[in-house]
Parts: sequence; C-alpha cells; structure tokens
Amino acid sequence: GAGVSQSPSNKVTEKGKDVELRCDPISGHTALYWYRQRLGQGLEFLIYFQGNSAPDKSGLPSDRFSAERTGESVSTLTIQRTQQEDSAVYLCASSSGGSTPSTTYEQYFGPGTRLTVT
Amino acid sequence: AQSVTQLDSQVPVFEEAPVELRCNYSSSVSVYLFWYVQYPNQGLQLLLKYLSGSTLVKGINGFEAEFNKSQTSFHLRKPSVHISDTAEYFCAVSGTASKLTFGTGTRLQVTL
Repeated sequence: GAGVSQSPSNKVTEKGKDVELRCDPISGHTALYWYRQRLGQGLEFLIYFQGNSAPDKSGLPSDRFSAERTGESVSTLTIQRTQQEDSAVYLCASSSGGSTPSTTYEQYFGPGTRLTVT
Repeated sequence: AQSVTQLDSQVPVFEEAPVELRCNYSSSVSVYLFWYVQYPNQGLQLLLKYLSGSTLVKGINGFEAEFNKSQTSFHLRKPSVHISDTAEYFCAVSGTASKLTFGTGTRLQVTL
C-alpha cells in the first residue's frame, strides 16, 4: 500500500480483556517497529522486527505484551489482561531496512491505534 | 543507551515570527538524529534527519536543524512560521540499533 496502515483506529476495552492491534507495513519494508505514546509523553519503543532475525523485545513493558510478524508483512501486537495504564496510542512504523543509514533509519509511521481501557 | 531532552513542552509564537525548538541528546555512540512532526489526529511525519556530512540539514516546510556535537544539540528552526505549523514536534535519536529514542515532544502553537 501507499503507507503504513493500522487497525482498529480506536479500541475501547474493559480492564482484564485481551486486545489485538494490527499493523500493515509498507510493501517491501523488512523492518517493523511498535511504539507506545501515552498522553502527554513521548514515544516509547516496544519491539522491533527485522527480516527473519529474532525480534528485539527489549521495550516490552511486561509479559502481558507480545507481538508477532508474519514474514515481512502484517504484525499484530497483543496485550493480555489489559490494565488502565495500558491506555495509550500504539504506533507502528516500518523502514526498508537497507544497508545504508538513510534506508535503515528512516521510519514511516502509521496513524496509530488509540486504546482506552475502562 | 541514548536519551533525548526537549526542554520546552509548549512554545507559543505569532505567525510570521521565527521559532527554535530545542533538543539535546546523550549517547555513548555515534548518532543519527531526526525531527518528526505530528499534526492533530495524524501519524508522525519525518521533517528532517542528520545522518552524516553537513551539520546544517534542511527539511520539509522550510524547517532546518543544526547538529552541534560539542553541545550535543539538534535544535529545530524556522525563520517564519505559519498557522499550519501548529503541531507536536518530536526529536529522536538512533544509535546502532536502529530503534528510535524520542523526546517528550514540544507543542508549537502558532497564533495570529
């Protein structure tokens, strides 16, 4: 597609329920990132996928958070037993993952999924 | 590890006035620096980036930034702002791991 897409755009869930957020990266981009943006704060890195390498999960805040990626396409971020502090905008980004800094580091962001846990 | 500090959470400015949004970073390795803009209800859009070479980088919409290694700064400037520049601006740094570390953002509010 023309850009990174995410679904749903908004999600309201009850505390304790599981949620799945989806990201479709730009076609051909091998690198995919998830970030979290809490109200009034900057973006926090969550997880990074690059091709077939093991993902960098160093930013996941707890074991309730997990993410999968199918090949070099769609990714899903799953939050189990949601808590109110999980309320945030979850942003996905992709990059071409090429061999030069320009292609490796320039990330293209989706519009985000706004998650509200009540 | 890297970190980014954006000292100003909000910057009010009149239209056609100049503006500078401050960004300081810390890193133990060589860095790549970015400014992203987030318009209301939209995703982040890359404004400009410093990867290497000239320390003065020009971006979209008339913005520019200067990389100052000795002061570990990457301040964003525009000589004359427009109402449409009202948005949240994020400075970010990336080292060798390619994931971005963001500052907390600066809200630029342009008024007539």
